[in-house]
Amino acid sequence: GAGVSQSPSNKVTEKGKDVELRCDPISGHTALYWYRQSLGQGLEFLIYFQGNSAPDKSGLPSDRFSAERTGGSVSTLTIQRTQQEDSAVYLCASSLGAITNTGELFFGEGSRLTVL
Amino acid sequence: QKEVEQNSGPLSVPEGAIASLNCTYSDRGSQSFFWYRQYSGKSPELIMSIYSNGDKEDGRFTAQLNKASQYVSLLIRDSQPSDSATYLCAVNISPRGSYIPTFGRGTSLIVHP
Repeated sequence: GAGVSQSPSNKVTEKGKDVELRCDPISGHTALYWYRQSLGQGLEFLIYFQGNSAPDKSGLPSDRFSAERTGGSVSTLTIQRTQQEDSAVYLCASSLGAITNTGELFFGEGSRLTVL
Repeated sequence: QKEVEQNSGPLSVPEGAIASLNCTYSDRGSQSFFWYRQYSGKSPELIMSIYSNGDKEDGRFTAQLNKASQYVSLLIRDSQPSDSATYLCAVNISPRGSYIPTFGRGTSLIVHP
């Protein structure tokens, strides 16, 4: 597709359940980022993938959060044993990559997670 | 101290006026600076990037960077109601790395007819 694609757009789950959020970056973009945005808050960095390098996981808030990126393209963010404070919009973004990367990010439309 | 700070606003300006949005950052080693626009219920979209001191103009938008004072600003000339949105400042801050922008909490801009 032409832009960053995220699914699902909305997810309502019960406390304690696991959820998976998917991101398909722009074709040719080697860098992929996950951020989350709580209501009225700024963007909180979660994890960064660059090509085949080890991901930067420094923003993950707890060990309930994990992410993988298969084949240097699609990424999945997994939240285990969800808590109400995990409710937020999870935003995926991609950019060109390390050599040409200027930090200019292209965002998907986000996945809104509501934990009841 | 927050790494990237913005006044949350709202900043209210009349149509046709100049809107001035400001951002300060804590890391003197920062090299890359960005302004994103986020409409309500939508995701952020990049509108300007700036890497060296001075002004950079793109249409009605001008980004201004002053590394010595550690601030970056965005001017919107001839403001339109369609410019009403939240404007996010983003800075690539070390030691996190050169390619992971840290975002401010955004300034809400309201342009009234």
